Amino acid sequence: KQEVTQIPAALSVPEGENLVLNCSFTDSAIYNLQWFRQDPGKGLTSLLLIQSSQREQTSGRLNASLDKSSGRSTLYIAASQPGDSATYLCAVGSNSGGYQKVTFGTGTKLQVIP
Amino acid sequence: DTAVSQTPKYLVTQMGNDKSIKCEQNLGHDTMYWYKQDSKKFLKIMFSYNNKELIINETVPNRFSPKSPDKAHLNLHINSLELGDSAVYFCASSSRTSGSPYEQYFGPGTRLTVT
Repeated sequence: KQEVTQIPAALSVPEGENLVLNCSFTDSAIYNLQWFRQDPGKGLTSLLLIQSSQREQTSGRLNASLDKSSGRSTLYIAASQPGDSATYLCAVGSNSGGYQKVTFGTGTKLQVIP
Repeated sequence: DTAVSQTPKYLVTQMGNDKSIKCEQNLGHDTMYWYKQDSKKFLKIMFSYNNKELIINETVPNRFSPKSPDKAHLNLHINSLELGDSAVYFCASSSRTSGSPYEQYFGPGTRLTVT
């Protein structure tokens, strides 16, 4: 059974800092790993998707890496801004009877202080 | 254009009632999902359908019955609502083959409050 953990649970940083969010998973036989952000009372916005054959993906100030062998992914946010404040969720897609089953992490709540 | 839409956005009802939530996607995806986000914000999969066929059915009370009339629609019917059913329910979709395989697209969520 896939288990996904995110550390830290909450993070507060001053504006402009670079930061790293961590995601670890127990079963390395995955299809992919997807990072989302969720603003309070809102839905999920997809940030980056890393397929199992890839090592990293980049979008603007965001960079996500994947190390399947160690069961880890990191989301790097460069030059953080107050608008980055949100909860970040890691979602791991695994094989379930030939189809994808997604397991979410517990999330990291990020606050960027102006 | 909205990719994954859900109705209603908010649903307030009393214990014991029966209610439905509807989901539609216009992305041409072949797989749709229902997730539940509880009060602690933890997201957990409930059901998944591929081309109208149920493929994932987690440990969910049988008061919850999903229905997929076609691959663009996935509805969730809940019978005999209980206080513990209060949560935000998200619909999502993905494709196994086209575009970015298995990338999930989420609807805006339906906030269900049972009183």
